[in-house]
This record gives sequence, C-alpha cells and structure tokens, in this order.
Amino acid sequence: EPEVTQTPSHQVTQMGQEVILRCVPISNHLYFYWYRQILGQKVEFLVSFYNNEISEKSEIFDDQFSVERPDGSNFTLKIRSTKLEDSAMYFCASSEYGGLETQYFGPGTRLLVL
Amino acid sequence: AQSVTQLDSQVPVFEEAPVELRCNYSSSVSVYLFWYVQYPNQGLQLLLKYLSGSTLVKGINGFEAEFNKSQTSFHLRKPSVHISDTAEYFCAVTTISGTYKYIFGTGTRLKVLA
Repeated sequence: EPEVTQTPSHQVTQMGQEVILRCVPISNHLYFYWYRQILGQKVEFLVSFYNNEISEKSEIFDDQFSVERPDGSNFTLKIRSTKLEDSAMYFCASSEYGGLETQYFGPGTRLLVL
Repeated sequence: AQSVTQLDSQVPVFEEAPVELRCNYSSSVSVYLFWYVQYPNQGLQLLLKYLSGSTLVKGINGFEAEFNKSQTSFHLRKPSVHISDTAEYFCAVTTISGTYKYIFGTGTRLKVLA
C-alpha cells in the first residue's frame, strides 16, 4: 500500500540554524499539507499546497517557514532560523484530489531545537 | 472558527472490554469528522470518517463512531478491544470552506491492559 514517507525521523538543531524537513507524498496525489504537534498539544495545521502554490497557511506559518516541491516527488518544509518553540513533531500529509478526500499522513519528523 | 475537544487524555481499559473515546466539536458551519489512529513510530492512519448520510459510521479494526449533531459529538467506540489497539487516537474536523485543512483534538492515548 502506498504511503507518505518523511525524513529524517528525528532532527536536533541549534537555535538560529536552518532545517529542511522532507516528505515524499503518495505518487498520484496533488494536494500536500504540513501539520505540527508541540508535545502535549494539538496537531496544528501549518500550510496546504497545490499546483506549486500555497493554498492556505495558518498564523503559525510566518516568514521563517517556506515550502517547496523541488521535483516531482519531494515536498519540503524549511524553517529558516529555528527557535526553541519550533520544537515539535512535524507531519506531512497528502490527498489525491483535495476537498474531502482522505489526507494520508506520514510518520512525522521530531524536531528538537536547543 | 472550528475547534475539537478530546476530554480524555488517557483511557486505560482491560482487554476484551468495550471502550468509548469522546470527541466534541464546535463550529458555526457544517462539519466533516474524522478519527485517526497513531501507532508508535507510525503516521496517522484514518480509522473512519463522517461526511454525510447515516450518522453511524463503521471503520477499520472494528471501530465505529456516531455523529450527533445536537450534542456536537463524534464519539468513537469499540465493543471489545485488543492489546493491539493500544495507540493514540485523534479526532479531527474540517469544513467545506478554505482548503479543507483539518482541525485536530489533543488526542487520547488508549492503553489496553492484559
């Protein structure tokens, strides 16, 4: 069964450093999402992406964040200058047609900013 | 704006006993509801979803949920749990506005005891 994959599974970085989290969505999916979960808190929507453009972004997704689909398979989330409060589990998701189609989630990347 | 509340952060239950995981939502517009499960070191997997029609929805692994509009609830149930059901369960809501981003609850950790 096709699945969404994410790398790395864990990342530790120093405050102020740039990180790139990588996701490989399911191959025929067209809609992509990033969510995050700070320990003990809700899973929060960050951004949705379709047709090489951001469709919607949350208040969390400020200028320090960016997303990119650099090729036909990868979908990346970049945090330009990490802060302590960026420490969280980051989930990538994809869906085939968007709308009410099921979003399929990856296993997450646990980011720790020191 | 929509919100989801999962009041129980942890639910211990003995094997073969029934379980109910509670989910309440708040929204001023029509919603669509989902339950996802996360097993250790894995991504979020869809258990079931309510889009329209019958308010009783059956999902994978013997789980079911009932949409109750008057009580704004979407509780998840299983008549007899197994050790393998031990996982984190997330309730989520979306609407037809915007890009169908999911709004998640904080999750309920189900621990099935032998």
